Amino acid sequence: AQSVAQPEDQVNVAEGNPLTVKCTYSVSGNPYLFWYVQYPNRGLQFLLKYITGDNLVKGSYGFEAEFNKSQTSFHLKKPSALVSDSALYFCAVRDGSSGNTGKLIFGQGTTLQVKP
Amino acid sequence: DAGVTQSPTHLIKTRGQQVTLRCSPKSGHDTVSWYQQALGQGPQFIFQYYEEEERQRGNFPDRFSGHQFPNYSSELNVNALLLGDSALYLCASSLSVLYVGELFFGEGSRLTVL
Repeated sequence: AQSVAQPEDQVNVAEGNPLTVKCTYSVSGNPYLFWYVQYPNRGLQFLLKYITGDNLVKGSYGFEAEFNKSQTSFHLKKPSALVSDSALYFCAVRDGSSGNTGKLIFGQGTTLQVKP
Repeated sequence: DAGVTQSPTHLIKTRGQQVTLRCSPKSGHDTVSWYQQALGQGPQFIFQYYEEEERQRGNFPDRFSGHQFPNYSSELNVNALLLGDSALYLCASSLSVLYVGELFFGEGSRLTVL
């Protein structure tokens, strides 16, 4: 069965320090991977995706993520955190073999808290 | 370029009532999906509509139904509301039913069932 795990409910980091939000996934076919951010009482904003190609993908607001097939991971990273990065982050996967283009499987979310 | 728009933004219903939520996809998109996000949880897939037909469905009961109109807009209907239906309902659109890239989400409709 398809699944996504975000092992940390919350990540705390000081402004200016690098941040990492972890994500592992399980699918039967090729994974299509996504990161979204959600601010309080708002919808989801797309940050970045891995479909194919280079394992390191760059996205909006200076975020990047590295696809690691052997570890089935897709961790979100940023070299220097900003207080404005504080939000709820979701990792999501689509199983490329299933044909289910509409169905994204989301993790439980990780709250990122960046302190000044 | 308007993104995905949803209405209403908030609504309160009582158990047993019915509710209809509406969604207009991003310009140029013809495929709409609906997700339910309970408090403290990640979004869960309800169903996807393309060419006015339900194409895929998640693990939700038949009380959840939908519709897509010729202009690609969509409705989500929930009958016989339960307390557990209280959630943020998110609409997402994509370029086509074959597109494997990102979905674009609206701001959501927050439903409270009393």
